[in-house]
Amino acid sequence: KQEVTQIPAALSVPEGENLVLNCSFTDSAIYNLQWFRQDPGKGLTSLLLIQSSQREQTSGRLNASLDKSSGRSTLYIAASQPGDSATYLCAALYNFNKFYFGSGTKLNVKP
Amino acid sequence: DAGITQSPRHKVTETGTPVTLRCHQTENHRYMYWYRQDPGHGLRLIHYSYGVKDTDKGEVSDGYSVSRSKTEDFLLTLESATSSQTSVYFCAISESVGGNEKLFFGSGTQLSVL
Repeated sequence: KQEVTQIPAALSVPEGENLVLNCSFTDSAIYNLQWFRQDPGKGLTSLLLIQSSQREQTSGRLNASLDKSSGRSTLYIAASQPGDSATYLCAALYNFNKFYFGSGTKLNVKP
Repeated sequence: DAGITQSPRHKVTETGTPVTLRCHQTENHRYMYWYRQDPGHGLRLIHYSYGVKDTDKGEVSDGYSVSRSKTEDFLLTLESATSSQTSVYFCAISESVGGNEKLFFGSGTQLSVL
C-alpha cells in the first residue's frame, strides 16, 4: 500500500527565515511528486511538480527536490513571508493515475 | 481552476438520507477523482473515473457510489449519509502537462451530516 507522510504536522517560524517541509513515501515507484498549497476554507493550488526523472524544480522562492531512492521530497521556502502561511500538501502519482496525499504541514509565518 | 465546478458548495443533511454531489468539468479531461479531506488525514481517495462509465474504488469507498454517464460530469452519492461522512469533499481532474499528469482541484463541498 502506498503511504505518504508529512512531518511536522505544524510549523511556526519568524518572517524571513528559510525553511524546509518534508514529504516521504513508502513506494519508490512514483511517476511524479506534486506540491500543493491550501489556504483555510479553500481548494488546493498546485505549486510545483517534479517528474520521477528529475531531482529539483524551482519557482520563485520555492524549490522542490526529489530523491526516489530514499523515498523523500522536500519543499524549500526561502525568505519566508506572512503570506506564505498556509497548509502545504504533497501528492505522489502512482500506476493507474492514482495520486496519494500526505496529511499536510500547516505553516505559520510570524511577522 | 481547470474549468472544474462543484455543487453544492455547502450541504447540511440528516443521517440516513441520500446525498449527491456533482462535479462538472468543461475541458474534456479523461480522469476525474473524488477525495474527502478530514483533519489529520489529508486527502483520501474515494472513487475515481478513467472514462465514461469507467470507475474504480479508492481507499475509502465504503458508503459511497459514483456515476459518470458523460465526460463532463462525475457524481458522488452517499447512499445513506452517516455522521462519519461529515467532511469536505473535493473533486479533481488530472491533465497531461508536458508529459506529466498534473492534478487540479475544484473549490470543494462542505457536507455536514446531523
